[in-house]
Amino acid sequence: EVQLLESGGGLVQPGGSLRLSCVASTSTFSTYAVNWVRRAPGKGLEWVSTLTDSGANIYLADSVKGRFTISRDISTNSLYLHMTSLRVEDTAVYYCARGLIAFDLWGQGTLVTVSS
Amino acid sequence: QSVLTQPPSVSAAPGQKVTISCSGSSSNIGNNYVSWYQHLPGTAPKLLIYENNRRPSGIPDRFSGSKSGTSATLGITGLQTGDEADYFCGTWDSSLSVVVFGGGTQLTVL
Repeated sequence: EVQLLESGGGLVQPGGSLRLSCVASTSTFSTYAVNWVRRAPGKGLEWVSTLTDSGANIYLADSVKGRFTISRDISTNSLYLHMTSLRVEDTAVYYCARGLIAFDLWGQGTLVTVSS
Repeated sequence: QSVLTQPPSVSAAPGQKVTISCSGSSSNIGNNYVSWYQHLPGTAPKLLIYENNRRPSGIPDRFSGSKSGTSATLGITGLQTGDEADYFCGTWDSSLSVVVFGGGTQLTVL
């Protein structure tokens, strides 16, 4: 059974940077589209970014465009979210998820707290 | 404010049935598949329904999905206390080229 495991969250000051990682237990990122989705405290799910299976297409939410970058390393079954110019409103649990439109596999999430 | 509109909360007694609506537009629900997710904060979200009405392996048939025009509905029958969670609809928005989620509906099983 494929599993996804996120890491890299933590406390960061406004304006700071952080890189989140998501490792799959088996080779999956070259076969499926992959995504980052977040949930802020007291709020709903918010889609952040999608990288298609071919790697040719990247989609980003307007709220993170110009600040966040999604990438992957197929050789290590890893997905990344590079976050810069972090804002207080980026505070959330960040999940990686597999799939295009329908996300059938999710990780447990990693908490990012942006605070001074 | 979310692109897709869901009721903030619904409730029903154990054993009863509940429906959760998700309203959108022609650029999202009207022309794309809808998915439904169950989420308890602190856990991994779970896909309940994909392609409007299909259930992934392992999801009981107590959960059902439907779509009509620019609205979708999740139905849950035989409610159990373990069904208490937040439920989200999601789809692709062709005009915005983004994935959109509803604001979420908190289900309480009284």
